[in-house]
Amino acid sequence: QQPVQSPQAVILREGEDAVINCSSSKALYSVHWYRQKHGEAPVFLMILLKGGEQKGHEKISASFNEKKQQSSLYLTASQLSYSGTYFCGTEKGSARQLTFGSGTQLTVLP
Amino acid sequence: DGGITQSPKYLFRKEGQNVTLSCEQNLNHDAMYWYRQDPGQGLRLIYYSQIVNDFQKGDIAEGYSVSREKKESFPLTVTSAQKNPTAFYLCASSIDAGTSYEQYFGPGTRLTVT
Repeated sequence: QQPVQSPQAVILREGEDAVINCSSSKALYSVHWYRQKHGEAPVFLMILLKGGEQKGHEKISASFNEKKQQSSLYLTASQLSYSGTYFCGTEKGSARQLTFGSGTQLTVLP
Repeated sequence: DGGITQSPKYLFRKEGQNVTLSCEQNLNHDAMYWYRQDPGQGLRLIYYSQIVNDFQKGDIAEGYSVSREKKESFPLTVTSAQKNPTAFYLCASSIDAGTSYEQYFGPGTRLTVT
């Protein structure tokens, strides 16, 4: 089942902060975060694994609440380059594949 | 430079024709994936392969076929049985299958069928 992302879209000014949420109705083993700019390929940002391990960018942080089956991506002091659509992907059972949310469109204005 | 290449970037076909999308990687990754993306939507998995000569259906495999004869290559054929083939197709790879590993995406092929 597809994870639910919120908000669907957000507009902010350079330097402001944003939080993007991803929730699932099923138990999560891992959560992936990717950013996609218009017409381009998604780019990996972060993986959060059950048990607390994280892999990803230093300037982007995220949390993973296993009990609530939720993950949040924190974008602080936004830059113009942060604009794009952010997708979370969650593991689908034991099938070793990801199911992606429908995305959150982030626009950073000068 | 290592990476994933997809060709062509844009592809136009008439309804009823099969078309094959190319995906090549030189990252020495074992796992490869094909996703479909429709406007304003997330990525939906078509097929994935963990090793050469083995592949599994994803969520929307109907109307598609794949092969994995070489580690570097994972072509996708969109058959005439696919009812709505117009979409953006993305190929990805990872060191190994499983969700502990980041996926690297190619630039995509935008397919238009009329």
